[in-house]
This record gives sequence, structure tokens and C-alpha cells, in this order.
Amino acid sequence: AQSVTQPDIHITVSEGASLELRCNYSYGATPYLFWYVQSPGQGLQLLLKYFSGDTLVQGIKGFEAEFKRSQSSFNLRKPSVHWSDAAEYFCAVGARSGNEKLTFGTGTRLTIIP
Amino acid sequence: DVKVTQSSRYLVKRTGEKVFLECVQDMDHENMFWYRQDPGLGLRLIYFSYDVKMKEKGDIPEGYSVSREKKERFSLILESASTNQTSMYLCASSLSGGSHTQYFGPGTRLTVL
Repeated sequence: AQSVTQPDIHITVSEGASLELRCNYSYGATPYLFWYVQSPGQGLQLLLKYFSGDTLVQGIKGFEAEFKRSQSSFNLRKPSVHWSDAAEYFCAVGARSGNEKLTFGTGTRLTIIP
Repeated sequence: DVKVTQSSRYLVKRTGEKVFLECVQDMDHENMFWYRQDPGLGLRLIYFSYDVKMKEKGDIPEGYSVSREKKERFSLILESASTNQTSMYLCASSLSGGSHTQYFGPGTRLTVL
């Protein structure tokens, strides 16, 4: 079975600074990988996803993520954060065979300071 | 755009009550999911359904049941609500066929007193 680890529970960055959120997964092959964002009191919105091909994936709101097979990682990055990026971020993994469930990490809460 | 709606944003119930949470999607998706979200635990899958009248248990099905009589609607039922079921409940749907991309509703925050 697959699993996901988001090692950072809470990250604080200054507005305009760069951001990297970490995600490590455990799966026997190359999985499907996702990043979702959840604003306070809202549901989850898809930021980006990796299925195959180019390991650097571009998403919405200026985010990108890089799949590194050797490190079993799929870290999310943004070169310059905005106050509106304050939210909770979830990494998720899906198996390429079998059912279409996703396994989610425990989330990283991002705080932006002026 | 995919739209997933949930019947209530906030719900307050008493211990022992039967509670129904409704979810409707408008994109003809085969797969539907119910999660609960608790601080520090992320999203945990309660049940999912891959077709009408079909369901499978997720990671934490105890105390819950589900119903899917129509393709667009997936209901979560708490037969006898307990205080430890106070949580945020999220519904999602996805198209069958390998995309795995799930679309989420806004969530229902349930408080059981």
C-alpha cells in the first residue's frame, strides 16, 4: 500500500520569499502524485499533478513541483509567495493499478508574514 | 468546471441522532468518496463508491454507512452519532479510467454534542 509523508506541520515565510514544501511517498512503482490546497473553511483545490513525462510539473497560482524518483519525493515550490497563499497544503499519491483511491499526507500549514 | 456540492456547511447534532450528509456532483463521475479531516491527521477515507449501489470500505468505516442510489449522489450516514465523530467531512468525485484526479466539495463541519 502507498503512503505519504509531509514532514513539516507548519511553515512560516515572508511575503515575497521563496517556498518549498516537502512530500515523500512510499510506493513500489511510479505513482500518480498530486498537490492540493485548502483555504480556511474550504474544500480542497487541485494545484497540480504528475502522471508521467516531464518530472517538473507546472500548476495553478504559480506553483510547480518536481518528481524525483531517486528520492521518492514530490516537493512543491513557488519562487515568490503572496499573502493569499496562506493555506494548508496536502500531498497525495495514487496507485497506477487497482482502485482509484488517493492516500493523503497530513498536510502542511503555510503562514505568510508581511 | 466540476461542481461538487454538500448539503450543509455546518451541522450540529446530539449524541445518538441519525445523521445524513449528502453530496452531489454534476459531472457524471463514476467514483465518489467520503473523507473526514481532523487536525494533524490529514484526510482519512471513510468509504468510496465506484458505481451506483457499489461501495467499498475505506480506512475508517466504523460507525458510518453510505448509500449511492443515483450516480450523482453519495450519502454518508452516521447511524448513531457520537462525540468522537465531530469533524470536518469532505466529499469528492473522480472520473473512472485512471485519471485519479479528485474534485472536492466545500466540506461539512459536523459537531456532535
